[in-house]
Amino acid sequence: EVQLVESGGALVQPGGSLRLSCRGSGISFSGYFMNWVRQAPGMGPEWISYINPPGLGIHYADSVKGRFTISRDNAENSLFLQMSSLRAEDTAVYYCARSQGVYDYMDVWGKGTTVTVSS
Amino acid sequence: DIQMTQSPSSLSASVGDRVTISCRASQTISIYLSWYQQETGKAPKLLIYGASTLPSGVPARFTGSGSGTDFTLTISSLQPEDIATYYCQQSYSIPRTFGGGTKVEIK
Repeated sequence: EVQLVESGGALVQPGGSLRLSCRGSGISFSGYFMNWVRQAPGMGPEWISYINPPGLGIHYADSVKGRFTISRDNAENSLFLQMSSLRAEDTAVYYCARSQGVYDYMDVWGKGTTVTVSS
Repeated sequence: DIQMTQSPSSLSASVGDRVTISCRASQTISIYLSWYQQETGKAPKLLIYGASTLPSGVPARFTGSGSGTDFTLTISSLQPEDIATYYCQQSYSIPRTFGGGTKVEIK
């Protein structure tokens, strides 16, 4: 079964740091673009970053640029999101999602991990 | 950034009804448009990609249409398991952007 499992979510103080992980199973992780998408309470999804298969092509949403870093370890079937200078508005469920195809659609999603930024 | 605007924001319909959700992009996106279904407390699930292509396993009562700036998701006969929020999302340019969502309820 194709599966993505996120971990690392926690309660963290404003200004703090956190590292999220996403591990894939049942999929050929290395051949796909991978994304992080977050969803604040009561809001719609917000795409925040993606990384190409070799890990050299990376993009970020303006809301996280300079504070978050995406990376991947294809040998370990893992995706990471290093988050720093966290703000209250970063509070959300964070999903990893695989994307593919000409239309770069996100076809496999994890169940999410919750990040709460609060003092 | 490309803005995605969905309408309506919510709707209530009876089982068996035909339901239509609209999505408009602030600039042309060809057919780089996906639809996702999200049940409460769950991750989004891919419903349609390339504006009109159904992934395997998605029921045929779901159809997508449109190109350029105007897109439509149609549920031909609403079923109880279709209760969810539906989002459109463009993959034409960075940043990827989602619509505000349409919450579908049973009357």
